[in-house]
Amino acid sequence: DTGVSQNPRHKITKRGQNVTFRCDPISEHNRLYWYRQTLGQGPEFLTYFQNEAQLEKSRLLSDRFSAERPKGSFSTLEIQRTEQGDSAMYLCASSLGPGGTDTQYFGPGTRLTVL
Amino acid sequence: AQSVTQLDSQVPVFEEAPVELRCNYSSSVSVYLFWYVQYPNQGLQLLLKYLSGSTLVESINGFEAEFNKSQTSFHLRKPSVHISDTAEYFCAVLISNYKLTFGKGTLLTVNP
Repeated sequence: DTGVSQNPRHKITKRGQNVTFRCDPISEHNRLYWYRQTLGQGPEFLTYFQNEAQLEKSRLLSDRFSAERPKGSFSTLEIQRTEQGDSAMYLCASSLGPGGTDTQYFGPGTRLTVL
Repeated sequence: AQSVTQLDSQVPVFEEAPVELRCNYSSSVSVYLFWYVQYPNQGLQLLLKYLSGSTLVESINGFEAEFNKSQTSFHLRKPSVHISDTAEYFCAVLISNYKLTFGKGTLLTVNP
């Protein structure tokens, strides 16, 4: 069990640029989640997948954000035209599923800094 | 709407002292509650969870939490803390069987 991995761990970009993050869940986990954590706050839910289907998106996920999980394994989160307010830690989690009470295991996160 | 309130943003204690980190929730439906811990520069790790059954749940490293429905609380306790327990602790409630809603976190600092 290698755990949830995320790449890159850190990303610094200029306002207006596009960025893409990758999450590799624990093998055989059906559910994959994205959360965002800003300084001094707890993580906030962004979206989740059951296999390759994106089942829910938070209102926090503006139209500049898009997430995919094309083959039901790894997932990518893309932010277009980044803004300074996008600076945060982006966390990925996975759970075995399909039961919702299965433990969500978190990755180490990708810290995004928008200059 | 379901929400979580962590009443203390920071809790400093001395090593070997007892500690309680407070968490209150609001919910109108069945409640599933979690405590996660985040060590510096690491992701969140599950500490313990309450789904049903016994209202007292324990973790492998000496923490315990008690689900109190009448007081809508899920406080985290440890009778004797170690330096290595220094971390940020997050209480969370599961909503609609997929979404964790977290409190703002409590930074526990254990001093020698």
